[in-house]
Amino acid sequence: TQLLEQSPQFLSIQEGENLTVYCNSSSVFSSLQWYRQEPGEGPVLLVTVVTGGEVKKLKRLTFQFGDARKDSSLHITAAQPGDTGLYLCAGESHNTDKLIFGTGTRLQVFP
Amino acid sequence: EPEVTQTPSHQVTQMGQEVILRCVPISNHLYFYWYRQILGQKVEFLVSFYNNEISEKSEIFDDQFSVERPDGSNFTLKIRSTKLEDSAMYFCASTIGRNTEAFFGQGTRLTVV
Repeated sequence: TQLLEQSPQFLSIQEGENLTVYCNSSSVFSSLQWYRQEPGEGPVLLVTVVTGGEVKKLKRLTFQFGDARKDSSLHITAAQPGDTGLYLCAGESHNTDKLIFGTGTRLQVFP
Repeated sequence: EPEVTQTPSHQVTQMGQEVILRCVPISNHLYFYWYRQILGQKVEFLVSFYNNEISEKSEIFDDQFSVERPDGSNFTLKIRSTKLEDSAMYFCASTIGRNTEAFFGQGTRLTVV
């Protein structure tokens, strides 16, 4: 069974701080996606990383895929209250259509 | 911007009743999915559907569940005899191809009482 563990589970920080969320597995994935989910809504895709070692930047968000394609991280620089939400990683394998979702990291940024 | 739409947004049903959750995927997408998220838990895959048939399903997707694409636009999830533990948010998703970006609907909150 493929599992994705995210850490930390909860994170409360002040506006302006930096943070990193980790997504780890013992399985190899062909790609890994990061989503953000607001209460009562569906996950919204932020980025997809495909190549081992790949780094993608989306404004203040930096995503990295591990060299072995088993783990990923999301780094937010100078967090803002608008970054508050549930962040989910989700992995995909070549031989399957489904996404395996991580356990989620709930981020709260206080002004 | 094209989006996946789901109806209803909230459904309350009595245990043992049948429910049908509806989804309209993005029009040029070819792969359709249902996921569920029990309150406080992670998003779980239920089933994928391609070319008018189920391509993959999880162990959650037992004989009580079925999916259908009755016309060119709708994609439905039916639960034949609901149980209390079926209470969850149900998300529909679609992709244009295999292993491409998944777009999720806003979800249907199913409450079984």
